[in-house]
Amino acid sequence: DTGVSQDPRHKITKRGQNVTFRCDPISEHNRLYWYRQTLGQGPEFLTYFQNEAQLEKSRLLSDRFSAERPKGSFSTLEIQRTEQGDSAMYLCASSSGQRGETQYFGPGTRLLVL
Amino acid sequence: GESVGLHLPTLSVQEGDNSIINCAYSNSASDYFIWYKQESGKGPQFIIDIRSNMDKRQGQRVTVLLNKTVKHLSLQIAATQPGDSAVYFCAENIPLGKVIFGPGTSLSVIP
Repeated sequence: DTGVSQDPRHKITKRGQNVTFRCDPISEHNRLYWYRQTLGQGPEFLTYFQNEAQLEKSRLLSDRFSAERPKGSFSTLEIQRTEQGDSAMYLCASSSGQRGETQYFGPGTRLLVL
Repeated sequence: GESVGLHLPTLSVQEGDNSIINCAYSNSASDYFIWYKQESGKGPQFIIDIRSNMDKRQGQRVTVLLNKTVKHLSLQIAATQPGDSAVYFCAENIPLGKVIFGPGTSLSVIP
């Protein structure tokens, strides 16, 4: 257990529905990252926050995706109008924010869009 | 473009033997590299890291080697155990804090 938690661990939804995932980082970490991972591939960067500020968004993050970290602690990732191609593992990681500091990953939320 | 890749997608080793997992990277600006282990259904777990001003770093049963000349990383696991069976990812930390992962190598330990 790295200290990063994610909820839910699994989500099955129908195409077109909205889903929201939550990540609670290690409490003293000010950086929080979201990744998407499909089977057999490495995690792909989606976005990251420094405290409550969203500093970078990947081109993978379409308009249907939005992430927030309102108080600089937990974060949510929402996917609107889900598509079957959104099926993946969504991973959250946190770090202390110093350059080159290790990111610690949560267990992930596995999404299946039917 | 930026990429981190692995030479071997799968690796099978006998229990007790040493394992070597290789990785190539392409971004010369990367100055920090990490190896992660991922077991089925879990998030990646940090194993060991190395900064670009080093060429070798040792941990408990693991050693990472960095060759900046040919942009190559390797992870050596000594006396491989069944619990080492997992997918291993190398990752590079590029400027602005973004981490790029390679596609992974699946390590299977034969008892």
